[in-house]
Amino acid sequence: GAVVSQHPSWVICKSGTSVKIECRSLDFQATTMFWYRQFPKQSLMLMATSNEGSKATYEQGVEKDKFLINHASLTLSTLTVTSAHPEDSSFYICSARDQREYNEQYFGPGTRLTVT
Amino acid sequence: QKEVEQNSGPLSVPEGAIASLNCTYSDRGSQSFFWYRQYSGKSPELIMSIYSNGDKEDGRFTAQLNKASQYVSLLIRDSQPSDSATYLCAVNILTGGGNKLTFGTGTQLKVEL
Repeated sequence: GAVVSQHPSWVICKSGTSVKIECRSLDFQATTMFWYRQFPKQSLMLMATSNEGSKATYEQGVEKDKFLINHASLTLSTLTVTSAHPEDSSFYICSARDQREYNEQYFGPGTRLTVT
Repeated sequence: QKEVEQNSGPLSVPEGAIASLNCTYSDRGSQSFFWYRQYSGKSPELIMSIYSNGDKEDGRFTAQLNKASQYVSLLIRDSQPSDSATYLCAVNILTGGGNKLTFGTGTQLKVEL
């Protein structure tokens, strides 16, 4: 299967600061990547779809000015949480679609964000 | 009606038994179906994909798809304690924003010694 990495794996930041999370497809090119958020004991929630070279598509209720997504290359997408607040503390997971394999989607290991 | 529905469980099975996980979906146009395993505190891991009606086997795992009845299932043979996890059913759904995976809420499986 394809490999997706995320960095950092965990981060603690102060309220009001911004945090950038990187998602990389290591052994394939991904024109489409996805960003999810998961709160404890809850299901995955899709935040946005990131397309290489174009603007991200955000799900209803997700603030695009707060969660900035950049997909500048076929192997890298970034999510920046701007002016983070404690309620943004969550597990953020990216995934990448491998078009070589019937569009199967592979997840990164996730980034645990804690805002104090 | 939710787009992808799963019983939240927990489903408890004894070690060595067959675990049967079920999922129904609402969009008749869906073509791709996936099962992910998620351990607590970790991200989901793709374990099976299925695209046509019938069974698909991979080791101890068998995925079953019935498009007419709009259900997909996962069988785990010879269940092991290490199989204890939440299993997520995902369906590729075409929307106005492109095609994307829609996940069920997951079924928690507990394999007991």
